[in-house]
Amino acid sequence: EEQLEESGGGLARPGGSLRLSCSASGFSLSSYEMIWVRQAPGQGLEWISYITQTGSTIYSADSVKGRFTISRDNAKNSLYLQMNNLKVEDTAVYHCARDRGMRLGFDPWGQGTLVIVSS
Amino acid sequence: SYVLTQPSSVSVAPGKTATITCGGNNIGTKYLHWYQQKPGRAPILIIYSYKYRPSGIPERFSGHVSGNTATLTISRVEAGDEADYYCQVWDSSSVHYLFGPGTQLTVL
Repeated sequence: EEQLEESGGGLARPGGSLRLSCSASGFSLSSYEMIWVRQAPGQGLEWISYITQTGSTIYSADSVKGRFTISRDNAKNSLYLQMNNLKVEDTAVYHCARDRGMRLGFDPWGQGTLVIVSS
Repeated sequence: SYVLTQPSSVSVAPGKTATITCGGNNIGTKYLHWYQQKPGRAPILIIYSYKYRPSGIPERFSGHVSGNTATLTISRVEAGDEADYYCQVWDSSSVHYLFGPGTQLTVL
């Protein structure tokens, strides 16, 4: 079964940093583009970052540009999100998902990891 | 920037048909997808490219597009269909993925 599992969430102070990880099983991460999506409490889904198979191309939402960095280690079958200069409004559940392409959508998704930014 | 619109909520009786819309300028050129999210769960892809169902998604779920509106139709609605539904596209002008605001489906 193809699965994704996030880790690394927790409590951080405003201005602090966290690094999220996303581990793939049942498929080779190296063959796919990947994304991160977040969902603030009681809110909708917000796409935040995208990375190609080799990491040569990265796109990020304006809300996180310059603060969050997506990366990957295909040898470890893992995706990462380095989050710096965290803000209270970054509090959310963060999901990784496999990007099957513009025409095919995101599937599967991980269950998510909760990030709380609070003083 | 590109914007997607969805009704905030839709209610339907069991066994009836639910219709959830997603509006956007020239949406027929965007390769739109639909996701279902139940409380506390990860989203699930239920329709891709307007009308195609991934393996394992019941035939009760269907989609189509006309003009500036994409529509998700759920036939013979069941209590287990109660969830939030999101549409999603790729906006090439901003090189961003976008989600609609979501529609909460309530089964009466």
